[in-house]
Amino acid sequence: GNSVTQMEGPVTLSEEAFLTINCTYTATGYPSLFWYVQYPGEGLQLLLKATKADDKGSNKGFEATYRKETTSFHLEKGSVQVSDSAVYFCALLNSGGYQKVTFGTGTKLQVIP
Amino acid sequence: DAGVTQSPTHLIKTRGQQVTLRCSPKSGHDTVSWYQQALGQGPQFIFQYYEEEERQRGNFPDRFSGHQFPNYSSELNVNALLLGDSALYLCASSLKGISGNTIYFGEGSWLTVV
Repeated sequence: GNSVTQMEGPVTLSEEAFLTINCTYTATGYPSLFWYVQYPGEGLQLLLKATKADDKGSNKGFEATYRKETTSFHLEKGSVQVSDSAVYFCALLNSGGYQKVTFGTGTKLQVIP
Repeated sequence: DAGVTQSPTHLIKTRGQQVTLRCSPKSGHDTVSWYQQALGQGPQFIFQYYEEEERQRGNFPDRFSGHQFPNYSSELNVNALLLGDSALYLCASSLKGISGNTIYFGEGSWLTVV
């Protein structure tokens, strides 16, 4: 079956530091890949997505590239802000058929001033 | 354009009781899925509704049931509540059959079972 593995947190960074959150996946076919962000006490917000190999998703300074050869979709940001503190979920959507999203366990990011 | 809306936002129930959660999908979407997110965990797929039928189900007991209405809105029902059912319940909507589809999530319903 499908699965998503992401690095365990919490990740603590100083403001303006470089961020990488690793994500690898196992899936049949050609899934779409997503990063969702969840701020404390809130629901899930789509951060970015990529639908095919070598696609780069980007939003609000965050980027992730769909790497089929390494089955990875690592999240990066060049300079984090305190407001980026949240839990980040890597997820995949199986291709075709029913639209079930498989999530990783989440990585908590804390950015300190 | 309203996104996915869920109600209620928060609720507290007693063990053994029943609960109904509601979801209205994003305008134009016809498929609704429900997820359970326990504290500190990623969301887990409960089931999906399309054309008023349950199309796919995750590893959840029959105490979890649902319904989809002709206007595509949906309900999640949980019977005989257990303490372990305490979680954030997320509704997701999408449009079936669209390649590279984006799944949109609501803000969730926080259920506490005491």
